[in-house]
Amino acid sequence: QVQLQESGPGLVKPSETLSLTCTVSGGSISSYYWNWIRQPPGKGLEWIGYVYYSGSTNYNPSLKSRVTMSVDTSKKQFSLKLRSVTAADTAVYYCTREYGGTAAGYFDYWGRGTLVSVSS
Amino acid sequence: DIVMTQSPDSLAVSLGERATINCKSSQSLLYSSNKKNYLAWYQHKPGQPPKLLIYWASTRESGVPDRFSGSGSGTDFTLTISSLQAEDVAIYYCQQYYSTPPTFGQGTKVEIK
Repeated sequence: QVQLQESGPGLVKPSETLSLTCTVSGGSISSYYWNWIRQPPGKGLEWIGYVYYSGSTNYNPSLKSRVTMSVDTSKKQFSLKLRSVTAADTAVYYCTREYGGTAAGYFDYWGRGTLVSVSS
Repeated sequence: DIVMTQSPDSLAVSLGERATINCKSSQSLLYSSNKKNYLAWYQHKPGQPPKLLIYWASTRESGVPDRFSGSGSGTDFTLTISSLQAEDVAIYYCQQYYSTPPTFGQGTKVEIK
């Protein structure tokens, strides 16, 4: 059974960089698209982007200028960096596995999520 | 971006009764080449990650009870819970994966009447 686990600071100061890592266990990191999705408090789900196991990436245009994703297949980890954060970036951040589509896919495995608050 | 609109925002249903959630997309999610609708449904309970229920609009994910079913094509889709159980209290989201960025509906909260 594939399991995903997010890790990283729960508090980030405004204008700094949010950094999260997701560790994959119970399955291969190869041949899949690995995504980050977030949910601000009381709001809906927003797709941030994906990193393919080969390292190629695709980001939501609304966040593209501030996002970098990377993958380390030897550690079975992928990462998210979001620069110049503001209070609007406060959210539960989920790492997920994407499956099934062509331009995009559905998300069959999710981490438990980690709350990142942006505050001084 | 494709806009996904769910209705209603919330509904209260008696135990054992049917719950119906609608999802409308701003453009067709039906791929002509394979006749598949690129639409998924998720169940989200507090403190847990969203759980995939349905993909390709009507294919139930392994382990999902058969009281959950998905239907629809093109721009109009429905998630039906045929006989609501207490453990089905949650927020339900539809998601399109026809194009990037994938987008979600705003969610429908299902409660017990």
